[in-house]
Order: sequence, then structure tokens, then C-alpha cells
Amino acid sequence: KNQVEQSPQSLIILEGKNCTLQCNYTVSPFSNLRWYKQDTGRGPVSLTIMTFSENTKSNGRYTATLDADTKQSSLHITASQLSDSASYICVVSALRQAGTALIFGKGTTLSVSS
Amino acid sequence: NAGVTQTPKFRILKIGQSMTLQCTQDMNHNYMYWYRQDPGMGLKLIYYSVGAGITDKGEVPNGYNVSRSTTEDFPLRLELAAPSQTSVYFCASSYFTPQENSPLHFGNGTRLTVT
Repeated sequence: KNQVEQSPQSLIILEGKNCTLQCNYTVSPFSNLRWYKQDTGRGPVSLTIMTFSENTKSNGRYTATLDADTKQSSLHITASQLSDSASYICVVSALRQAGTALIFGKGTTLSVSS
Repeated sequence: NAGVTQTPKFRILKIGQSMTLQCTQDMNHNYMYWYRQDPGMGLKLIYYSVGAGITDKGEVPNGYNVSRSTTEDFPLRLELAAPSQTSVYFCASSYFTPQENSPLHFGNGTRLTVT
């Protein structure tokens, strides 16, 4: 069973437009939620990390929100650029008896066209 | 500051062959990880290490082995390659544990094909 679900699976937008990516999770309890950007052929790069008590966190044109009550997070990209074309991965840090486990979503593939 | 460096970038193995995927980091991170990424799937943890001399299994350790003799290096060994091990392998490191809001720093991956 997927504990971290991302939607949409893929998205195409025009350069300059805004978009929002969704992440729903069932992981509980958790310590933090992360968003990573993965360019084609590269490793993921951290965009934001939010604890369960934080509602929003920004990194330049990227703004992540978290609603721990509904177990939902979103990543909003403002004024998209061609370089935003990538896969965006939601990761939840699950608290387990044996330690902390990172649960990765499958990612949303974003294509920004000119 | 190179971050996390993985070699090789690409490799093709025949079934039954062995190989070592190399990973080194220059950030003095205690925590290191090996993940595999299969098409359309989330990253899965193979092995991790909390410091030199200490390693432990992740979700999918079968068919792999690791060692951590230094803080910098964390090689992943495939002893008898199988087609199911065809994947992209990522090494990562972090300063603190994932529970402590410490970001993972990833290498650029090794794309392995077993035929």
C-alpha cells in the first residue's frame, strides 16, 4: 500500500504560469515532510523540509504547504521557468519503533514549455 | 566541495557477475544511504550507515552488501547480479538523522543494467 501518493502523475504548463503539485500521505506518526526536485539523469535535490507544526515554507519561487490534520501537502511553483522541468518528489519521515524511515512518493513529472 | 560522488555513471553486467558501486562524500556527514530507483516507483532504501564501522539493512537489502571503513566512503557490493537488480542506484548522505530535519544530499546515480 502506497503511504505517500502524489498527483498529478505528470503535468505540462507554459513558461511563466503557476502550478500546484499535491501530496497525500497516510504515514503516522511522522516528524517531517520534504519536497525534492530531481532533474533528468541527476540525483534529487532538497527544496523544503517542514515539521508537523509548520504550515508553509518557501524556497524562492517554490512554496510548500502542510496540513497535518488532513495529511496533505502541496508544492506551489510561481512564474515557472524552463529549468523547473523535472520530477518533484514528496518524502515523509515516518517515526518507527526501530528508528526513522523516509517514505518516498513516486513523483510528479513537470514539463514547462515555451 | 564536490558533495556526494558516485562511480561509475553507467554499467552493464551479465547475470552472475559482481561489481562494486562506489560512493564518497566530502561533507563529513555521519549518515550515508544507498537507494534504488525503479521506473515509476519511489526510492527504496537498500542499506544505511550511521557512522564508520556501523551499517544496517533497509527495506530491500537482499543481493547487496555494504561496508563503511571510513566516514567518507560507503561502497555497495553486488555479488551475483540478477536482472531484478537493473535499476538506478543513488547514494546519499546527511549530517543528522532524517528525524532531525536534516536534508539528504544525493549523488547523481549509477545506472545499472543486468542482462
